[in-house]
Amino acid sequence: DVQLVESGGGLVQPGGSLRLSCAASGFTFSNYWMSWVRLAPGRGLEWVANIKEDESERWYLDSVKGRFTISRDNSKNSLYLQMNSLRGEDTALYYCARHNFASPLEYWGQGTLLTVSS
Amino acid sequence: DIMMTQSPDSLAVSLGERATINCKSSQSVLHSSNNKNYLAWYQQKPGQPPNLLIYWASTRKSGVPDRFSGSGSETDFTLTISSLQAEDVAVYYCQQYYGFQWTFGQGTKVEIK
Repeated sequence: DVQLVESGGGLVQPGGSLRLSCAASGFTFSNYWMSWVRLAPGRGLEWVANIKEDESERWYLDSVKGRFTISRDNSKNSLYLQMNSLRGEDTALYYCARHNFASPLEYWGQGTLLTVSS
Repeated sequence: DIMMTQSPDSLAVSLGERATINCKSSQSVLHSSNNKNYLAWYQQKPGQPPNLLIYWASTRKSGVPDRFSGSGSETDFTLTISSLQAEDVAVYYCQQYYGFQWTFGQGTKVEIK
């Protein structure tokens, strides 16, 4: 079975940094695009970033460009999101999700919670 | 960016009755190369991740009950639950995956009347 398990969330002060991880199992990780999507209180779902199978393409939500970096390690079946210069509006439950190129988000993890607050 | 707007924000429907959710995109999500609408619908229940219901605007994901159906093209789309069941209480989102920056609608909360 496809499994995606996020980790790394926590409480961070504004301006701080954090790295989220997503451990994948049950499928050939290197064959799929991966995305990060967040659910903010009262704001609904928001796509954050995605990455091609070989890392040759990465796309970001405008409000996180230059602050967040998506990456992956296919040898470890893992996806990452490095988040710098964090703001209060980044507070959310962050999900990783699997998809094909130009295809919907088929499998989702349970999410990891990021809170940005002083 | 393609903006997605859903209506209504919430609706209450009696058990066994029809629920209809609309989604409008700020530009067409119909790709001329393959005549497919790059539009999906997700269901999210409290404490759970989103669950893909419909993709290509009208294709039901395997295992999704046939009371869920999607329709529409270009900029106007609809998710219909033909006979609402108690387990369908959730927030429903449309999402476009046409460009490289994806966007969701704001969500529609469905409750039992």
